[in-house]
Amino acid sequence: EVQLLESGGGLVQPGGSLTLSCAASGFTFSSYAMSWVRQAPGKGLEWVSVISGSGGNSYYADAGKGRFTISRDKSKNALYLQMNTLRVEDTAVYYCARAPVRGARMVALGFDNWGQGTLVTVSA
Amino acid sequence: QSALTQPPSASGSLGQSVTISCTGTSSDIGAFNYVSWYQQHPDKAPKLMISEVSQRPSGVPDRFSGSKSGNMAFLTVSGLQAEDEGDYYCSSYAGSNNLIFGGGTKLTVL
Repeated sequence: EVQLLESGGGLVQPGGSLTLSCAASGFTFSSYAMSWVRQAPGKGLEWVSVISGSGGNSYYADAGKGRFTISRDKSKNALYLQMNTLRVEDTAVYYCARAPVRGARMVALGFDNWGQGTLVTVSA
Repeated sequence: QSALTQPPSASGSLGQSVTISCTGTSSDIGAFNYVSWYQQHPDKAPKLMISEVSQRPSGVPDRFSGSKSGNMAFLTVSGLQAEDEGDYYCSSYAGSNNLIFGGGTKLTVL
């Protein structure tokens, strides 16, 4: 059974930093791209970032470019999202999601498994 | 890139059918056959219901179907059941490993 378990959320002040983690199990981790998707309270889904199975390629939505860094550790079957210079508008539940790959297109097929999410609150 | 456009709400009676639309542009929905649909129940993670416009993942009832025409995509739920109530989101590949979501549609089963 595929399991994705996020952790690391919490309350942080504007301008601060936070690193989210996602522990993956039940599948061959390196065979899938992995992504972060967020959802602000009462709002819709927003794609944040994706990383290839090898970890060699990563892409970001405009909202996180230059501030967020996605990474993965194949020895730990773990996905990370380092978030710097956080803003109030980054407040959201952050989901880790598995992304089946078609060639070089890592987000085209959607996300077939999701974690339960971790809440990040950016507030003074 | 702007979010895809979905109606805020939709409704249908038990056993009836309902179709939810998702409007994009020639740079996303119109350019690629990579539209996905997700179901989300309150305080739960989203669940993939349709990928590649019309493909149902294993375990998704065949009451759920997807289609596309031009810059619009559609999710049809036939034989509505109480458990179908929830929020539905479309997404589309937009090139260069970029993905955009719709704003979501709240489906009410009457």
